[in-house]
Amino acid sequence: DAGVTQSPTHLIKTRGQHVTLRCSPISGHKSVSWYQQVLGQGPQFIFQYYEKEERGRGNFPDRFSARQFPNYSSELNVNALLLGDSALYLCASRSDLNTEAFFGQGTRLTVV
Amino acid sequence: GQQVMQIPQYQHVQEGEDFTTYCNSSTTLSNIQWYKQRPGGHPVFLIQLVKSGEVKKQKRLTFQFGEAKKNSSLHITATQTTDVGTYFCAGLRSNDYKLSFGAGTTVTVRA
Repeated sequence: DAGVTQSPTHLIKTRGQHVTLRCSPISGHKSVSWYQQVLGQGPQFIFQYYEKEERGRGNFPDRFSARQFPNYSSELNVNALLLGDSALYLCASRSDLNTEAFFGQGTRLTVV
Repeated sequence: GQQVMQIPQYQHVQEGEDFTTYCNSSTTLSNIQWYKQRPGGHPVFLIQLVKSGEVKKQKRLTFQFGEAKKNSSLHITATQTTDVGTYFCAGLRSNDYKLSFGAGTTVTVRA
């Protein structure tokens, strides 16, 4: 069975641009969460989706949005990129809302 | 909002020694989970604690959940070079199932 897959693995964007990050959860998992991890810090919660509905949003500006598709894959969109958006973006898959999270390898976003 | 605090931020350990990392939440948790992230890698699930006062062991690692379900600890005995990495606790709230991570304890080992 494939684990959590994220694409792309690395990305370089310029300020003001838009980015879309993608995540495919483990087969059968209905919950996808997105986290931002800045170097030296713990993952910061951005969004949580369960059964295609948003079930939580972290303290991030409206430039950040996400959605979950019928096949449970997910996209994270960030508009009007800032230098401070440079980070590792992690997708986590859970079979249910109270179970352990399985993380993908992450997308390393660099904004220049 | 919920905050999960972890101490110490860094732990430099002589190979063979023991150490403990601590985690505290500002709110009562449904469960607490521990993850390990190797340099350049992604967080990998280690264990989940659900019951008040629960203690679980994985070889040299001992995990404990506090009686009030607001704190937890990870104790590693006889540290090895394979223990290098950052250990995160993550608290799960029962009202919204948001998994909030602490800042982590980064462990380095002196051979």
